Amino acid sequence: AQSVAQPEDQVNVAEGNPLTVKCTYSVSGNPYLFWYVQYPNRGLQFLLKYITGDNLVKGSYGFEAEFNKSQTSFHLKKPSALVSDSALYFCAVRDIGYIPTFGRGTSLIVHP
Amino acid sequence: DADVTQTPRNRITKTGKRIMLECSQTKGHDRMYWYRQDPGLGLRLIYYSFDVKDINKGEISDGYSVSRQAQAKFSLSLESAIPNQTALYFCATSEQTNYGYTFGSGTRLTVV
Repeated sequence: AQSVAQPEDQVNVAEGNPLTVKCTYSVSGNPYLFWYVQYPNRGLQFLLKYITGDNLVKGSYGFEAEFNKSQTSFHLKKPSALVSDSALYFCAVRDIGYIPTFGRGTSLIVHP
Repeated sequence: DADVTQTPRNRITKTGKRIMLECSQTKGHDRMYWYRQDPGLGLRLIYYSFDVKDINKGEISDGYSVSRQAQAKFSLSLESAIPNQTALYFCATSEQTNYGYTFGSGTRLTVV
């Protein structure tokens, strides 16, 4: 079985400040982890993934995510937030042999 | 042109009507998926297909059916629409499940 949790419905951050969007997961085996972003009236766009290898994964638009096996987390980060980063962010997890499960989404609001 | 095209973009239909949502892709991917998005619930898998002869139920398949007419086309049908099927519906494709998905722009369906 697999599950994913995004504990924050909304994250607020000032432009220029670092941002973190949290994600925790539960799988039986080794996880495959993904982050997607959804801008208003658009479909989801793939940001980055962790399959294996380095725990710090770099993706699109300056985002990165850190895989932490002991804490079963895969938090999305960006050193300096932009107003244009405001969107809905989804974490997804996949255990081997399964279709990915998506979290409920976190709304990121970056204030000017 | 978009890699994954969904039609229609918006649809209002009456309770009890049959409706079909269509998805076509130019990615050349074998794997296709239908999800619905509801506020606060994230994305939930309705059906998925790994090739033309393969159809699999997701976590919320009741009240829905699908047809994989060709590698590039995957249609979702609501045989008798009901108001709680009002949602945003997304089609997605992937080359393999541990790769990221490519999503369509979505179909906003309202059942009155």
